[in-house]
Amino acid sequence: AQSVTQLDSQVPVFEEAPVELRCNYSSSVSVYLFWYVQYPNQGLQLLLKYLSGSTLVKGINGFEAEFNKSQTSFHLRKPSVHISDTAEYFCAVIAYGQNFVFGPGTRLSVLP
Amino acid sequence: NAGVMQNPRHLVRRRGQEARLRCSPVKGHSHVYWYRQLPEEGLKFMVYLQKENIIDESGMPKERFSAEFPKEGPSILRIQQVVRGDSAAYFCASSLTDREDQPQHFGDGTRLSIL
Repeated sequence: AQSVTQLDSQVPVFEEAPVELRCNYSSSVSVYLFWYVQYPNQGLQLLLKYLSGSTLVKGINGFEAEFNKSQTSFHLRKPSVHISDTAEYFCAVIAYGQNFVFGPGTRLSVLP
Repeated sequence: NAGVMQNPRHLVRRRGQEARLRCSPVKGHSHVYWYRQLPEEGLKFMVYLQKENIIDESGMPKERFSAEFPKEGPSILRIQQVVRGDSAAYFCASSLTDREDQPQHFGDGTRLSIL
């Protein structure tokens, strides 16, 4: 079975500051990793995904994430956030033949 | 809008009533997934369906909950005799294939409130 931990339930940050949202996972088999964003009263939108290859993955809206196999982490970063980035961010993993397992989410609040 | 369509967006039911949640997948997608999101929590997998077949219902409560995806029409998540604990947001997702590397496209959810 897989599990996903997002240690920070809430992250407040000032506009134009950098941000890192942490994600750690546990799995005995190889997994694919995803980050989704959820704006208020909406569904999840895919930000980026890691399948294989380069461990640095670039996504939409200026976000990127780095896969670290030894630390079983997939942290999400953005060098300069905007007010519009305020949302809930979910890390998710999926293994072959299994279903998506989502983390509990991190609420990013961008302050003016 | 070619995305996943869910309706209704908001549904209010009294304890003991039935709730029916509908999901129309992205055109051409034959794989549908239902998730439940409780406040302050992530999404929890409930059921995975292909046309006319339930592939995996390991996340769905054994009683009162059922799901279908008929040959024609939307997928339906049905909750009978609702209780307060059923209050949650229910999300539907669809994908073109069942490959793990394919992202799932999510609808905007149905927010179910039980009085």
